Amino acid sequence: DGGITQSPKYLFRKEGQNVTLSCEQNLNHDAMYWYRQDPGQGLRLIYYSQIVNDFQKGDIAEGYSVSREKKESFPLTVTSAQKNPTAFYLCASSTQGRGPGDTQYFGPGTRLTVL
Amino acid sequence: KQEVTQIPAALSVPEGENLVLNCSFTDSAIYNLQWFRQDPGKGLTSLLLIQSSQREQTSGRLNASLDKSSGRSTLYIAASQPGDSATYLCAVIPMFSGGYNKLIFGAGTRLAVHP
Repeated sequence: DGGITQSPKYLFRKEGQNVTLSCEQNLNHDAMYWYRQDPGQGLRLIYYSQIVNDFQKGDIAEGYSVSREKKESFPLTVTSAQKNPTAFYLCASSTQGRGPGDTQYFGPGTRLTVL
Repeated sequence: KQEVTQIPAALSVPEGENLVLNCSFTDSAIYNLQWFRQDPGKGLTSLLLIQSSQREQTSGRLNASLDKSSGRSTLYIAASQPGDSATYLCAVIPMFSGGYNKLIFGAGTRLAVHP
């Protein structure tokens, strides 16, 4: 089946730890995105990547880092510098990041809780 | 700065009712507008995408309209069913978004359809 997978589904982090969220897609999409969702709010863009080995900051990139070494994978690291990391994290992909008409396809999400 | 607002924030209706969800955006310079569905704790599923040159799109019992000049879109759900219960999110891609698919989301409308 083609699609986007995220792991783990639930993640718990202690204060001061870095954690990495996985996102993999087998849709052969060039562009990938990371969003954060807080209760009662819309999604906010953290980072995006239009092509392998290239990525750009979104609206709320502080305290996060990403890499794009493979087309299929776009892991997100939540660092200890992120002051309020408890949230629901969603990964998405689209055929290309430059066209305005591309639909973004979303993964099932990872819920991160800081203990 | 583009902002997207959805009204109402929550809606509870009996099964069988026709209902309308509203979305407004502050800047009419958009490429397209999308409606998504999100089930609790899950990712987003794209329902309808309306290009800026279009006025409406239909899929089954769903009909979405777009009035770009007034900055409004509505999602019409006919003959609602309990399975329609979910959060519905509206998102736009601004025209001047740096050449990539930057989705700006509303906070969503949480719909409950009771038997």
